[in-house]
Amino acid sequence: DGGITQSPKYLFRKEGQNVTLSCEQNLNHDAMYWYRQDPGQGLRLIYYSQIVNDFQKGDIAEGYSVSREKKESFPLTVTSAQKNPTAFYLCASSVEGPQAHQPQHFGDGTRLSIL
Amino acid sequence: EDQVTQSPEALRLQEGESSSLNCSYTVSGLRGLFWYRQDPGKGPEFLFTLYSAGEEKEKERLKATLTKKESFLHITAPKPEDSATYLCAVSGGYQKVTFGTGTKLQVIP
Repeated sequence: DGGITQSPKYLFRKEGQNVTLSCEQNLNHDAMYWYRQDPGQGLRLIYYSQIVNDFQKGDIAEGYSVSREKKESFPLTVTSAQKNPTAFYLCASSVEGPQAHQPQHFGDGTRLSIL
Repeated sequence: EDQVTQSPEALRLQEGESSSLNCSYTVSGLRGLFWYRQDPGKGPEFLFTLYSAGEEKEKERLKATLTKKESFLHITAPKPEDSATYLCAVSGGYQKVTFGTGTKLQVIP
């Protein structure tokens, strides 16, 4: 079955540590996205990529980094510069980029907590 | 800036008690309005896309409608398995999708 796989499901970060969240899709979608979800807030866009080797900052990119070396993969690194990383992180993909009208499809998320 | 407001924040229904969830939006050139269902600890699951005022989409007990200022998600004779958070999102002229904060629906047997 086609879909989006996020791993791990739970992740713990120590002070000063960088951690990487994995996102893989087999939907053959061009665009991929990372969102952060906090209680009582809508999903907030961290980064998105419309094509391999290209990505753009979203609304809350500070303290995060991404890469897009393959169409299927869009890993997110939460760096030590992100002072409030505890959240539920969601990866999504769509056929085209955010300027189009197709829906985004989501993985089942990674919950990141501070140790 | 595009804005999406969902109401109510939470809704508790008896099984079989029909109701509606509201999504009010302001957007620069609506390209699409999306409804999602999100279960606890899971990612949002796509339900519907609406493109223009007057459009309606149905799936089982759910029916989504769209006007120029808002969308409604009507739930007819809900069952406990319909309990979830329902998210609304709009794609507009700023090349991004803006999400609402959701309505948490609880259906009691």
